[in-house]
Amino acid sequence: DARVTQTPRHKVTEMGQEVTMRCQPILGHNTVFWYRQTMMQGLELLAYFRNRAPLDDSGMPKDRFSAEMPDATLATLKIQPSEPRDSAVYFCASGSRTGGLSGNTIYFGEGSWLTVV
Amino acid sequence: KQEVTQIPAALSVPEGENLVLNCSFTDSAIYNLQWFRQDPGKGLTSLLLIQSSQREQTSGRLNASLDKSSGRSTLYIAASQPGDSATYLCAVMNSGGYQKVTFGTGTKLQVIP
Repeated sequence: DARVTQTPRHKVTEMGQEVTMRCQPILGHNTVFWYRQTMMQGLELLAYFRNRAPLDDSGMPKDRFSAEMPDATLATLKIQPSEPRDSAVYFCASGSRTGGLSGNTIYFGEGSWLTVV
Repeated sequence: KQEVTQIPAALSVPEGENLVLNCSFTDSAIYNLQWFRQDPGKGLTSLLLIQSSQREQTSGRLNASLDKSSGRSTLYIAASQPGDSATYLCAVMNSGGYQKVTFGTGTKLQVIP
């Protein structure tokens, strides 16, 4: 059963520390999304990759956030330094730009629940 | 800029009732629309995807419709069950070279036994 895998599932860290979240997209998927979910803002797109190339990271605070895809099986989202306002659930999702009725369905991971104290 | 709105924000219904969740979007130049379900503490589970050329999709007790020209989609749930309690989100993928996905804020559904 193919699925998007995210680590860590839960993270509590102190303000100022570096946080790295990892995502393994579904094998064969060529698009990867990073979303942040909070009660106030809902789901916000942070970054979007296609074929490992970043196409849009306009939703990401550039001074402290960075997103990369070192290879097709790994996407990372890093926060340095972390702040309490970064506390949220960070979701990774993957999809495939294929045709047909099921093309472009997006599959989400279980999320990384981050608390910065 | 695409904006996606879901009304109501919360809904409580007795078990067995049929219900409709609404999603509206401002830019009709979409590639597809997807409905998701999110349970507390969990990720999002895809329920139905409607391509821009389609009018509706059905899966079991779920039926999703799309009216692109008016910027609206509905998710119909027949014979609701307590297990349907969750937050339902719609997501719109814009057409064009960059297929950005915009999410609505969701409708929190509670089905009362």
